Amino acid sequence: DQQVKQNSPSLSVQEGRISILNCDYTNSMFDYFLWYKKYPAEGPTFLISISSIKDKNEDGRFTVFLNKSAKHLSLHIVPSQPGDSAVYFCAASALDTDKLIFGTGTRLQVFP
Amino acid sequence: KAGVTQTPRYLIKTRGQQVTLSCSPISGHRSVSWYQQTPGQGLQFLFEYFSETQRNKGNFPGRFSGRQFSNSRSEMNVSTLELGDSALYLCASSFSGLSNQPQHFGDGTRLSIL
Repeated sequence: DQQVKQNSPSLSVQEGRISILNCDYTNSMFDYFLWYKKYPAEGPTFLISISSIKDKNEDGRFTVFLNKSAKHLSLHIVPSQPGDSAVYFCAASALDTDKLIFGTGTRLQVFP
Repeated sequence: KAGVTQTPRYLIKTRGQQVTLSCSPISGHRSVSWYQQTPGQGLQFLFEYFSETQRNKGNFPGRFSGRQFSNSRSEMNVSTLELGDSALYLCASSFSGLSNQPQHFGDGTRLSIL
């Protein structure tokens, strides 16, 4: 049972444009959501997170939106840069647990 | 500030052997979690340790075990290795293990079973 789903395995975006990565979840007990970026041969790097009490969190070029009623979150990257090319994972956890449930990842390619 | 350190980076074993992987968390972090990453399954949660106690466990067989020491360093052991255990094993640490704190990952140990 995949509790966190990233339905797009890949995304290609031109440099300077907006990248939108999507994630859906099924467990209503999740209250904390995170996005990680992963380069080959490296561990995931934390990007941005959002608590369920918020619907938006922004950090520089990265903004995460949470729609609790739809059980959907998205990561917006504006403007996209070639260095953003990586695999992006969304993850979720429930209250008082460090157990992260990951999506299967979306490979983002930003081309010049 | 040093990040999460995992050793070794690469390991080759044969079926039936056992293996021990090591993880040193970020200084001050007391929660350590382990994940298995495979191409087909993504990142799967193995277990989490906090103050030398296992707090959470994923859906892996008993061949997978771990422990945490008083300095928060953690080890993961896999016994009777199978071909399907070939994967990238990732360790992550956080300060207290509360759900509103991000985990920080090491670069992993790539385990290959021949």
